[in-house]
Amino acid sequence: QQQVKQSPQSLIVQKGGISIINCAYENTAFDYFPWYQQFPGKGPALLIAIRPDVSEKKEGRFTISFNKSAKQFSLHIMDSQPGDSATYFCAASSFQKLVFGTGTRLLVSP
Amino acid sequence: DAGITQSPRHKVTETGTPVTLRCHQTENHRYMYWYRQDPGHGLRLIHYSYGVKDTDKGEVSDGYSVSRSKTEDFLLTLESATSSQTSVYFCAISSTGGALNFGPGTRLTVL
Repeated sequence: QQQVKQSPQSLIVQKGGISIINCAYENTAFDYFPWYQQFPGKGPALLIAIRPDVSEKKEGRFTISFNKSAKQFSLHIMDSQPGDSATYFCAASSFQKLVFGTGTRLLVSP
Repeated sequence: DAGITQSPRHKVTETGTPVTLRCHQTENHRYMYWYRQDPGHGLRLIHYSYGVKDTDKGEVSDGYSVSRSKTEDFLLTLESATSSQTSVYFCAISSTGGALNFGPGTRLTVL
């Protein structure tokens, strides 16, 4: 069973547009929600993370929105650029163990 | 990938043979993890360690064992490799058990 459900599986966005990736979870013990970015042939790299005591966190063009009551969180990429083309994973952590979503392949067209 | 190395980076082996993958860190982090990445499944935790000689199972631990005799090294062993273990294996480290830093990965093919 997938503890963290991620959608969409793939996404095509025009340059300058907004990319939105959504995740949902069931386990209320999760206390840390990071997003990872992965380029082909590389390991995932931490992009941005949030804890459940805040509803939004912004770092540059990347924003996490967190809805604790709905058990959902999302990644927004503003002004998407071709260099943002990568696979994005949401994740959730409890007791020092991180559980990942299945990933979203983002393609930003020039 | 700074501070984390994995070896080998690529390996092809035959069904039934034992395989050991090595993760080495220079960050002196307490927590170390082994994940496997497969299309459609994301990253799944195999085993993790919260200190020297302290390890525990993840969600897909069957067929795998681990050892950590030193802070800097975390070994993943496939006792008898099967084709279902063909995957990309990532090691990760963390100082707090929260944010993980991933290594470059090992691509394993079991024929």
